Amino acid sequence: SAVISQKPSRDICQRGTSLTIQCQVDSQVTMMFWYRQQPGQSLTLIATANQGSEATYESGFVIDKFPISRPNLTFSTLTVSNMSPEDSSIYLCSVGTGSAFFGQGTRLTVV
Amino acid sequence: GQQLNQSPQSMFIQEGEDVSMNCTSSSIFNTWLWYKQDPGEGPVLLIALYKAGELTSNGRLTAQFGITRKDSFLNISASIPSDVGIYFCAGSAGYSSASKIIFGSGTRLSIRP
Repeated sequence: SAVISQKPSRDICQRGTSLTIQCQVDSQVTMMFWYRQQPGQSLTLIATANQGSEATYESGFVIDKFPISRPNLTFSTLTVSNMSPEDSSIYLCSVGTGSAFFGQGTRLTVV
Repeated sequence: GQQLNQSPQSMFIQEGEDVSMNCTSSSIFNTWLWYKQDPGEGPVLLIALYKAGELTSNGRLTAQFGITRKDSFLNISASIPSDVGIYFCAGSAGYSSASKIIFGSGTRLSIRP
């Protein structure tokens, strides 16, 4: 298993601003995944981040709205840009080493 | 695209009862995963299944990878209050760490003391 730490754990943000979420893993991993969990819903994959290359985005998610960085094998960031209340969700990073392990998530509220 | 149908959507049972939930897929998966999510937390992996027909236990939890590779179930025996939460199935068409995982819609478990 892997220990995954996310920052911040929660935030309340004004619409139109941006928030960068950090994800730190205690071991080197090839792939990191970013998910969104809207209130009362399941998890939806936003993008897959491979170190040293551009992230691969799922249908319905674009780089301009959710830019991702992956500077090394233990760290990634997801930015939620130009936020609106519809972006209020829990954002989770995970790593897959045969199975997927998750951080505790970042609970974002946009007002 | 691939879809997972998880049922039931919610369960409200008596403490001590056994619980069963299942997932079906529109296509073949090579990995099935079961998670539990508590309020304010990320999902925690309960059981991972990698082989068709595989039956795996983790304490009072038992999960099976269906023979057709299009379904999986999770059973919880003798439920206790700490079993309350949301349970998600998840599946992947691949085996590697790069394989995408798709989640079911979740089963919310509530227990009467």
